Amino acid sequence: DAGVTQSPTHLIKTRGQQVTLRCSPKSGHDTVSWYQQALGQGPQFIFQYYEEEERQRGNFPDRFSGHQFPNYSSELNVNALLLGDSALYLCASSFSDKAYEQYFGPGTRLTVT
Amino acid sequence: DQQVKQNSPSLSVQEGRISILNCDYTNSMFDYFLWYKKYPAEGPTFLISISSIKDKNEDGRFTVFLNKSAKHLSLHIVPSQPGDSAVYFCAASGETSGSRLTFGEGTQLTVNP
Repeated sequence: DAGVTQSPTHLIKTRGQQVTLRCSPKSGHDTVSWYQQALGQGPQFIFQYYEEEERQRGNFPDRFSGHQFPNYSSELNVNALLLGDSALYLCASSFSDKAYEQYFGPGTRLTVT
Repeated sequence: DQQVKQNSPSLSVQEGRISILNCDYTNSMFDYFLWYKKYPAEGPTFLISISSIKDKNEDGRFTVFLNKSAKHLSLHIVPSQPGDSAVYFCAASGETSGSRLTFGEGTQLTVNP
């Protein structure tokens, strides 16, 4: 039973560029959430997708956008990258009727130079 | 506005002893609490959870206690093992916040052989 997978593992981008991160949920899960974890801090909620729609959104600017596909996989897009976007980006999946019980992937380490 | 706080950045215990990790929250609308363990270069791993209708939940060596009046929860690990050395995050979810998880800053647990 595959857990949550994310790609790529690491990524280096330049300020102003755009990036797309990908996530495949745990088998059977239909809800995907994205979090940003800065060094030394806990994960911060970005948004959550269910039935291909954004269901909830945290306090992140519109530069952060996402998508969920019919197979429940998801993408996180960040436009106009800033140095402060450097972080570990975590994807978590869950069942929609128990969406608070979330299982995390290994994350994508994004470095913006 | 830090709604979930873990006031101890680090904790060191001897193998075989009890580890107690603490977490405080301010939002009285939180009704579901979770503990995650995180190793370097990995995503958070779900450990144990508790609903606000309970005051204790046990799973093997791990027990979570919830004191709603004090808005405090704790994770007890007995007996502690060197493999338990990791960063531990508490997280909370509630009706008003949907199923998004609000995380504390984490506590680095080191179990010495």
